[in-house]
Amino acid sequence: EDQVTQSPEALRLQEGESSSLNCSYTVSGLRGLFWYRQDPGKGPEFLFTLYSAGEEKEKERLKATLTKKESFLHITAPKPEDSATYLCAVRDTGNQFYFGTGTSLTVIP
Amino acid sequence: NAGVTQTPKFRVLKTGQSMTLLCAQDMNHEYMYWYRQDPGMGLRLIHYSVGEGTTAKGEVPDGYNVSRLKKQNFLLGLESAAPSQTSVYFCASSIRLVRQFFGPGTRLTVL
Repeated sequence: EDQVTQSPEALRLQEGESSSLNCSYTVSGLRGLFWYRQDPGKGPEFLFTLYSAGEEKEKERLKATLTKKESFLHITAPKPEDSATYLCAVRDTGNQFYFGTGTSLTVIP
Repeated sequence: NAGVTQTPKFRVLKTGQSMTLLCAQDMNHEYMYWYRQDPGMGLRLIHYSVGEGTTAKGEVPDGYNVSRLKKQNFLLGLESAAPSQTSVYFCASSIRLVRQFFGPGTRLTVL
């Protein structure tokens, strides 16, 4: 059964304190791993797509990496505006999308 | 461009009532999706559509029906609402089965 697990559930960082969020997955044929950001009361907003082990994508203070069993979202020198819930999702060979429950990030000034 | 819009934003139903949620997109996307988001469960795919007139089941389709009569619209119907369908519903669209653009959500409460 396809499954996506994110950790930690919640993370509090001081402004400037770098860290990483984890997304581990089991899927029948990965057709893409996706990272989204979700602010309270809003829909998810796309960040990155990764397709194969070893692939990396960067955007401002965020960097996503992918291995055969997990993905990391690295946050470098975060700012308070990076506070949000970060969601990971996978697409399998049956065109189904599975989301994790997310990591709630709070960046304290 | 408005992107993806959802109607209504909030709704309260009584058990057994029916309703339809409307999703509209103005990006000419082929693919559209309906998800529900519950605390501790994450987003779960209900149904999706790969084009006008076509729909397919997702992970949790029971109790829901969908229709895609026009390319820009995707309707989600609840024929007989149950308290277990209390949730936040998100619609999304995409050009292909990749990056999805999400709407603002509909908060549904079934009493």
